[in-house]
Amino acid sequence: QVQLVESGGGVVQPGKSLRLSCAASGFSFSNYAIHWVRQAPGKGLEWVAVISYDGGSNFYAGSVRGRFTISRDNSKSTVFLQMNTLRPEDSGVYYCGRLYSQYDFNFYGLDVWGQGTKVTVSS
Amino acid sequence: QSALTQPASVSGSPGQSITISCTGTSSDVGGNNFVSWYQQYPGKAPKLIIFEVTNRPSGVSNRFSASKSGNTASLTISGLQAEDEADYYCSSYATGDTFAVFGGGTKLTVL
Repeated sequence: QVQLVESGGGVVQPGKSLRLSCAASGFSFSNYAIHWVRQAPGKGLEWVAVISYDGGSNFYAGSVRGRFTISRDNSKSTVFLQMNTLRPEDSGVYYCGRLYSQYDFNFYGLDVWGQGTKVTVSS
Repeated sequence: QSALTQPASVSGSPGQSITISCTGTSSDVGGNNFVSWYQQYPGKAPKLIIFEVTNRPSGVSNRFSASKSGNTASLTISGLQAEDEADYYCSSYATGDTFAVFGGGTKLTVL
């Protein structure tokens, strides 16, 4: 079935790095832009980053720009989020989501979400 | 860029209708037709219930409807049911320093 599965979360000290993965199955992965959205404990959703279907375009939230890098490997149906210089405020559950329309680069709506992977930044 | 503004909580009795507002600016809600709404249960991933301001994905109940006027979008849930008790988030494509923005979320309580 159509699904996204995140992995790579864990506990890390401030200033360290972590790489999250979002593995897709059940659909033509290379046709869809993928977004990362995070949720701090007990808080609301925060948009983090997007990568276009072909990997040629990306955009980041101001809070992570310069520290996080989004990339994708369409041959492996996987999107990555490289997170460097992590801060305690980066803690939370990180979700990847599929933009519902193909060959687009926008934020119409995310129709498929993963279950999330938890990141804790603490000394 | 600030988050979109939603009421922290709303409540209603079974069978009633409620409306959740979502206020942004001309750089997001007011500047495009790419407003979406999500339902989230505790410990679960969000679920898309409205896209492009008024459209429901396949499988979403027609008790959910939405609209937009100027910088404010609204989600209406009619015929409230116990299963509607959840958190609801609006979001929008945005221009400027960010690509997308979410509202702070609204907790719906079914009395």
